[in-house]
Amino acid sequence: GENVEQHPSTLSVQEGDSAVIKCTYSDSASNYFPWYKQELGKRPQLIIDIRSNVGEKKDQRIAVTLNKTAKHFSLHITETQPEDSAVYFCAASIIGSSNTGKLIFGQGTTLQVKP
Amino acid sequence: EAGVAQSPRYKIIEKRQSVAFWCNPISGHATLYWYQQILGQGPKLLIQFQNNGVVDDSQLPKDRFSAERLKGVDSTLKIQPAKLEDSAVYLCASSSGGPSYNEQFFGPGTRLTVL
Repeated sequence: GENVEQHPSTLSVQEGDSAVIKCTYSDSASNYFPWYKQELGKRPQLIIDIRSNVGEKKDQRIAVTLNKTAKHFSLHITETQPEDSAVYFCAASIIGSSNTGKLIFGQGTTLQVKP
Repeated sequence: EAGVAQSPRYKIIEKRQSVAFWCNPISGHATLYWYQQILGQGPKLLIQFQNNGVVDDSQLPKDRFSAERLKGVDSTLKIQPAKLEDSAVYLCASSSGGPSYNEQFFGPGTRLTVL
């Protein structure tokens, strides 16, 4: 079955620096890759996603890149702020008429942004 | 719109006892998911419903876990009997369903502690 590996498990940066989190997936049929942010004691919330027909997507300070050949995708956060501190999860899924859209999550990255 | 509701928020039981969790998805969402999130790990799908039918329960420990979604709206997840390793946060999520992209919205979760 699908497996998603996420690195690093923890990441500490200074405010204003960039942060990069990387994920690899095993199932080449995966075509949807969301990223979730989970603050302590709260629910996961979708922050950005990308489909396999594009290589990069940006939303203000957040961007995601996808390399289908290598089967990896990355989250980039620029100009980090203390409120970016949270656990970030990547996920992979196969969406389409004959698929369930089940999300397989990575293990999570705890990001700490130091003021 | 109202989000996904879950109850209770916290539950402490002793091993071998039974416990049940309740989820009310976003109105009109056809697909409902139950995830188990063990501390320090990403959510793992236990079961997925499309309306009131089971789409995927491949990772549900069926000897002790059961779930139902009567009338295709609310859902309950039951554990009987509980084991120590069931201590986790149980997240419910819902999506509008359909064959294309559909964002999953998560509830606040139920934190279960098995003593």
